[in-house]
Amino acid sequence: DTGVSQDPRHKITKRGQNVTFRCDPISEHNRLYWYRQTLGQGPEFLTYFQNEAQLEKSRLLSDRFSAERPKGSFSTLEIQRTEQGDSAMYLCASSTVGINEQFFGPGTRLTVL
Amino acid sequence: AQKITQTQPGMFVQEKEAVTLDCTYDTSDPSYGLFWYKQPSSGEMIFLIYQGSYDQQNATEGRYSLNFQKARKSANLVISASQLGDSAMYFCAMREGVQGGSEKLVFGKGTKLTVNP
Repeated sequence: DTGVSQDPRHKITKRGQNVTFRCDPISEHNRLYWYRQTLGQGPEFLTYFQNEAQLEKSRLLSDRFSAERPKGSFSTLEIQRTEQGDSAMYLCASSTVGINEQFFGPGTRLTVL
Repeated sequence: AQKITQTQPGMFVQEKEAVTLDCTYDTSDPSYGLFWYKQPSSGEMIFLIYQGSYDQQNATEGRYSLNFQKARKSANLVISASQLGDSAMYFCAMREGVQGGSEKLVFGKGTKLTVNP
C-alpha cells in the first residue's frame, strides 16, 4: 500500500520559467488536493479535485497557476512565469468518501532564483 | 479573522511527560471537523487525530487525545508520555461544512514541539 507520491521532490528554477509538478494519490482515492506552504506558516489550500472535476479553487491560485487531473488519477500543477514569491513547499493530499483525514505526500520544494 | 489560532510558537517538554498544544478556532458553521497533523523536519504532514463537531466523546488515538471544548471553541492536543520522536511541528486544522460543504482544510501557524531527554 503506497502513499501519496510527488515528483520532483525539489525544483530550482529561474524567475520567469515554467515549472510542472506531479502528484500520484493513494490508489482508489478519488479526492485530490493541492496546498502551498511557505516558511513558518501552515499549509494553504490551493485547489481540490473529485475524480477529474476541479470543484474548488482558492483565490491564491492566480492566472499563472493551473492544475489538472485529466483521468481522475494523477494530477499536475503548473506554474507559469515563476516569481520569487512562488518559492514554497507544494503539498498534495488525497482522500476518499467516508474518510475524514487527508493523506499528504512528501511535497515538492520549489526555489525560484 | 483567523480561523485557526495556535498561540504557542514553541513548546518544550521532558521525555515521558505529557504536553498540551493549544488550538482555538472560529466558525459559525454548526458542522465542522478539527484535525491535528504532525510535520517532522522531513516535511511530510502526518495525520494524528480527528474530532467532529457533533462527536459526543473526545477523540483519542494511542498517546494522542483531543480536548474538545465546543463552547470555548478550543481543540487542544494532548500528547501523553512524550518521546524524542515527537519533536516536530504540530498543526491544528479545520474543515467547515463537513456534510456537503467545503473540502479545504484551514491550518493554523503551528507549534514547534521539542522533547528533551
